[in-house]
Amino acid sequence: AQSVAQPEDQVNVAEGNPLTVKCTYSVSGNPYLFWYVQYPNRGLQFLLKYITGDNLVKGSYGFEAEFNKSQTSFHLKKPSALVSDSALYFCAVRPHPSYSGAGSYQLTFGKGTKLSVIP
Amino acid sequence: DAGVIQSPRHEVTEMGQEVTLRCKPISGHNSLFWYRQTMMRGLELLIYFNNNVPIDDSGMPEDRFSAKMPNASFSTLKIQPSEPRDSAVYFCASNRGSGNTIYFGEGSWLTVV
Repeated sequence: AQSVAQPEDQVNVAEGNPLTVKCTYSVSGNPYLFWYVQYPNRGLQFLLKYITGDNLVKGSYGFEAEFNKSQTSFHLKKPSALVSDSALYFCAVRPHPSYSGAGSYQLTFGKGTKLSVIP
Repeated sequence: DAGVIQSPRHEVTEMGQEVTLRCKPISGHNSLFWYRQTMMRGLELLIYFNNNVPIDDSGMPEDRFSAKMPNASFSTLKIQPSEPRDSAVYFCASNRGSGNTIYFGEGSWLTVV
């Protein structure tokens, strides 16, 4: 069974500083990895995904994430944080579609990290 | 693209009443998911449909919960009878085939009193 760990419940960062939200995963075979953002009282919005290729993935709103296979990590980053980035961030993993085991379609989410950007 | 559309956005109901949540997936998407979000348990997959057929309902908490997908553009999640512990945000999500990005609706915020 796959799993995702987001070790920090909350991350605080000053506006203009770089931010990192951490994620590690466990999955059979090669992973498909995703980041979603949830603003208060809203649904989850897709930010970016890693499927294959370049380990550095660029997404919406200036966010990027780095896939590290040896460390089974997929940390979310942004060079300069904005107050409007304050939200709940979810990392998610699913097996590569070539994997036909149980739950092969299932996207498993971490518990989320609350990002607060301080003016 | 209109996105995944859910209704109602908010529902407050009394314990024992029937609750029906509705979802219209993105046109052309053939997979549909119902998730539940609570503070205690985070995001949980309740049921997964592929081409309108329920593939995995192992996440449905108990027999009080049921879900249907009568056609490619509509799904319902029903709770009967509802209980206070069912209070949560229920998300519908869809995607086009295996491996593609899953897109979420805005959620149905359910409070059972």
